Amino acid sequence: EPEVTQTPSHQVTQMGQEVILRCVPISNHLYFYWYRQILGQKVEFLVSFYNNEISEKSEIFDDQFSVERPDGSNFTLKIRSTKLEDSAMYFCASSEADQPQHFGDGTRLSIL
Amino acid sequence: GENVEQHPSTLSVQEGDSAVIKCTYSDSASNYFPWYKQELGKRPQLIIDIRSNVGEKKDQRIAVTLNKTAKHFSLHITETQPEDSAVYFCAAKRRGTSYGKLTFGQGTILTVHP
Repeated sequence: EPEVTQTPSHQVTQMGQEVILRCVPISNHLYFYWYRQILGQKVEFLVSFYNNEISEKSEIFDDQFSVERPDGSNFTLKIRSTKLEDSAMYFCASSEADQPQHFGDGTRLSIL
Repeated sequence: GENVEQHPSTLSVQEGDSAVIKCTYSDSASNYFPWYKQELGKRPQLIIDIRSNVGEKKDQRIAVTLNKTAKHFSLHITETQPEDSAVYFCAAKRRGTSYGKLTFGQGTILTVHP
């Protein structure tokens, strides 16, 4: 069964540094998402992306965040200047139109 | 915006018993309700989902019921097994968008004792 893949599995970064989280969605999916999960809390929506543009974003997704589909297979989340509170598990997900979202294994981001 | 409340936060059952987890949602425009199972350190995995034109859906030991009037939906697991132990999340998606965001509940830690 095809899966969403994310790299790296764990990223440790100094506060104030930029970080890029990478995702390879399932190949025939056209809708892409980023969610985050702070340790012990629920999964929170960050952004959805379709047709090379952001479809919807949450209030968490401020100017420090950006997403990009640099080529036909990758989907990235960039945090420009990381803060301690950005420490969380970040999940990428993808879907076909109006179909269930499939999640990757996540990237654990630790900000020091 | 949508708000999803999930109860209980923890649930402990004996192997073979049934487990029920309940969620309520606030946005009457929501029409898609998936349930995800998340084992420790792993990805959320879809286990069952239901759309608002259906009242109940079953897949082997797992069933989901939906009451649109009351705006709540429930996950039922029968004949629980230790491998059912995990965190379960309900979610809701608003109709009208193919890409709609999922709004998750707070999660239920289910422990099945052998």
